[in-house]
Amino acid sequence: GDSVTQMEGPVTLSEEAFLTINCTYTATGYPSLFWYVQYPGEGLQLLLKATKADDKGSNKGFEATYRKETTSFHLEKGSVQVSDSAVYFCALSPNTGGFKTIFGAGTRLFVKA
Amino acid sequence: SQTIHQWPATLVQPVGSPLSLECTVEGTSNPNLYWYRQAAGRGLQLLFYSVGIGQISSEVPQNLSASRPQDRQFILSSKKLLLSDSGFYLCAWSELDSNQPQHFGDGTRLSIL
Repeated sequence: GDSVTQMEGPVTLSEEAFLTINCTYTATGYPSLFWYVQYPGEGLQLLLKATKADDKGSNKGFEATYRKETTSFHLEKGSVQVSDSAVYFCALSPNTGGFKTIFGAGTRLFVKA
Repeated sequence: SQTIHQWPATLVQPVGSPLSLECTVEGTSNPNLYWYRQAAGRGLQLLFYSVGIGQISSEVPQNLSASRPQDRQFILSSKKLLLSDSGFYLCAWSELDSNQPQHFGDGTRLSIL
């Protein structure tokens, strides 16, 4: 079945460091891919998305590129801030008529001042 | 624009008591609706989803149930809560078409004593 694997956390970085959170997926066909962010005590917010191969999703300085050849959708940011501390979820939505989104286990990011 | 409301934000209940959590969506019609549970520091577990009024699909056997009495209303219930029902409950909606992102409410933190 479809699945999402993302790097285990926590990830601890200093402010202004470069961030990469790895995400790989297994799916039939061509799923849509998403990154969500969850701040403490809140629900998940959609951070960015990509719907086809080679698409780049971007938002708030975060980027991720849909790589069909490596089945990956890694999240990157050039310079993190303390306010980026949160849990990040990679997810896919199959294009095969299903209504369920498959979420990764989440990666907690701590950014130190 | 679309909004999702979930309440209450926090709930403390004794073991064996009933439960009713409510979720409503505004600004869209015939959405897909979802209930998730998130244990502390863990990922998301899909509990129920609904593609229309009165149509409920259960993902895991448990003592919880869900109902959709109106198009944009989704209710999570239990007749008798267990200690293991503690967690963070999230409601979400998505457009009817597959591969669309889900949009989450702010969650309900449920503590069972």
